[in-house]
Amino acid sequence: LAKTTQPISMDSYEGQEVNITCSHNNIATNDYITWYQQFPSQGPRFIIQGYKTKVTNEVASLFIPADRKSSTLSLPRVSLSDTAVYYCLVGDNTGRRALTFGSGTRLQVQP
Amino acid sequence: GAVVSQHPSRVICKSGTSVKIECRSLDFQATTMFWYRQFPKQSLMLMATSNEGSKATYEQGVEKDKFLINHASLTLSTLTVTSAHPEDSSFYICSASPRLRGRQLNTEAFFGQGTRLTVV
Repeated sequence: LAKTTQPISMDSYEGQEVNITCSHNNIATNDYITWYQQFPSQGPRFIIQGYKTKVTNEVASLFIPADRKSSTLSLPRVSLSDTAVYYCLVGDNTGRRALTFGSGTRLQVQP
Repeated sequence: GAVVSQHPSRVICKSGTSVKIECRSLDFQATTMFWYRQFPKQSLMLMATSNEGSKATYEQGVEKDKFLINHASLTLSTLTVTSAHPEDSSFYICSASPRLRGRQLNTEAFFGQGTRLTVV
């Protein structure tokens, strides 16, 4: 399984755009990139998933360069409620294999 | 979206007793479910893979006789922590993914809300 590396923590202020980059140098051809958000004492929650280029949904954008060795989660105009741990995961996402969680990025949004 | 429900969300038990945690996929069938454990300030660690109708597969270092897993149906997996000790106190999380259908290539994993186990 491809290993991921992301910053341990980040700080931001309300209303700012936050970009969290994840490295996954040995990503496989059939691997997808998925980001999850976790609040304290809750299970992870799906944010966004992509394979290449750019994906956007109502909460975030995911940028994936052509070599797919990294990806960037972009959160527009964060609020205090976006304070959480964000995990970047790489896998085939068939549902038959467990996800391997790295250390995640602890985002702290200040007022 | 799909929902995975875990019960109970919080449990306190005495040392030596057993605790059962349920994981249900509410609106989809899951032949495979996964159980994770998370200690404070740490990431999720996979404990075992629960397979409907067959034995669970445990990760290295996880005692199968201590963490009993039963996947009795396509919507229910249970984790029983037997003879619990204080060091078993942790946050236990399950996940499941809907079956792929047709030309679908990928799916997302849905997680339960977690169970906070405290052994006193």
